Amino acid sequence: DIQMTQSPSSVSASVGDRVTITCRASQGISNWLAWYQQKPGKAPKLLIYAASSLQSGVPSRFSGSGSGTDFTLTISSLQPEDFATYYCQQINSFPRTFGQGTKVEIK
Amino acid sequence: QVQLVESGGGVVQPGTSLRLSCAASGFTFSIYGMHWVRQAPGKGLEWVAIIWYDGSNKYYADSVKGRFTISRDNSKNTLYLQMNSLRAEDTAVYYCARGFEGDHLDYWGQGTQVIVSS
Repeated sequence: DIQMTQSPSSVSASVGDRVTITCRASQGISNWLAWYQQKPGKAPKLLIYAASSLQSGVPSRFSGSGSGTDFTLTISSLQPEDFATYYCQQINSFPRTFGQGTKVEIK
Repeated sequence: QVQLVESGGGVVQPGTSLRLSCAASGFTFSIYGMHWVRQAPGKGLEWVAIIWYDGSNKYYADSVKGRFTISRDNSKNTLYLQMNSLRAEDTAVYYCARGFEGDHLDYWGQGTQVIVSS
């Protein structure tokens, strides 16, 4: 199985900050990677697909990059509604696997 | 608009069975692969299973293989998850989700809670 490792596990940031979350795959997955945002008590929401494509309706302050084993999610200017937990997921092979999550907290 | 509505969750004893349903509307259900994803209390997301748009292929997480069965009825626009031999570690919120552009999960239901406890 492909292991997905996110870092950091949590980050404290202020409104307006630039935040970067990293996801590393245990083997190459090309660009078969998605990023999701989840708020407490809610279902996850797709932000980025194919590593760098912005899902429809998602603000442009979110961006994704990477290929192979190393990927990043960047929030260019953190907004109050962005405080949440973020997950990466590989869809290169079965079983599909998620990272452990990164919680973005208010500083 | 796309809607996915799960049902069938509840409190059950270890070793028993439960069937979850996911009613889909607002899109052509029969052309999309569908997934189940779960989240244990206070934990991260765990992918559970996928079924091809026509039911021809199914894959499972190792943790549920041999105990859970994913299925669908395209005439009823409904996805199912039959869960047998339930264990305490199966306690979670179960989400159904639609696969998009190669299984990115673009729409999710609100989730149904399953608690396995004696």
